[in-house]
Amino acid sequence: SQQGEEDPQALSIQEGENATMNCSYKTSINNLQWYRQNSGRGLVHLILIRSNEREKHSGRLRVTLDTSKKSSSLLITASRAADTASYFCATDGIQGAQKLVFGQGTRLTINP
Amino acid sequence: NAGVTQTPKFQVLKTGQSMTLQCAQDMNHEYMSWYRQDPGMGLRLIHYSVGAGITDQGEVPNGYNVSRSTTEDFPLRLLSAAPSQTSVYFCASSYGVGEQFFGPGTRLTVL
Repeated sequence: SQQGEEDPQALSIQEGENATMNCSYKTSINNLQWYRQNSGRGLVHLILIRSNEREKHSGRLRVTLDTSKKSSSLLITASRAADTASYFCATDGIQGAQKLVFGQGTRLTINP
Repeated sequence: NAGVTQTPKFQVLKTGQSMTLQCAQDMNHEYMSWYRQDPGMGLRLIHYSVGAGITDQGEVPNGYNVSRSTTEDFPLRLLSAAPSQTSVYFCASSYGVGEQFFGPGTRLTVL
């Protein structure tokens, strides 16, 4: 079963605006990762946050993790048309670091 | 480096046929995994390997076999294809815990 649940399922914003996507999970984790998938392509790793971290930045990306609420958020600032893609969270936990469990994803559309 | 490569890119099978999806990586990664992605869904883990000669089942292993005779290659075998196996298949590799590198995918249709 899918552990990660993402919200919203789809998001459409104007170029330049910020986009926020949320991920919730059910069991304890070691790490949480975010991936991007352009249409018809493989996934590309964006950022990893460990269970003992609360916030992490990478360029225009900001990820937060709240282990007490079992949730994470991905913020993309100053969005660009090239950010149009699907975004997935993935968690690993007691089932093993190699056994990533992916959410269903958020489809982000950036309108010019 | 080519990264993670997958062949074929597209495949159409009839119910009951068997085939092998190929996956290779040139990054000397220990860990390799196979996922399937159904429309509007995230990825689900089929099988994974933590090194040559070592494989284990993921979330949806039924109907699939894997082997890992070398570090570079991790083929996925469909034993007797069923329409429920129509999906996009992704192979991924990683050095350890953390970032996984994905191949471009194989789009499989079973009639």
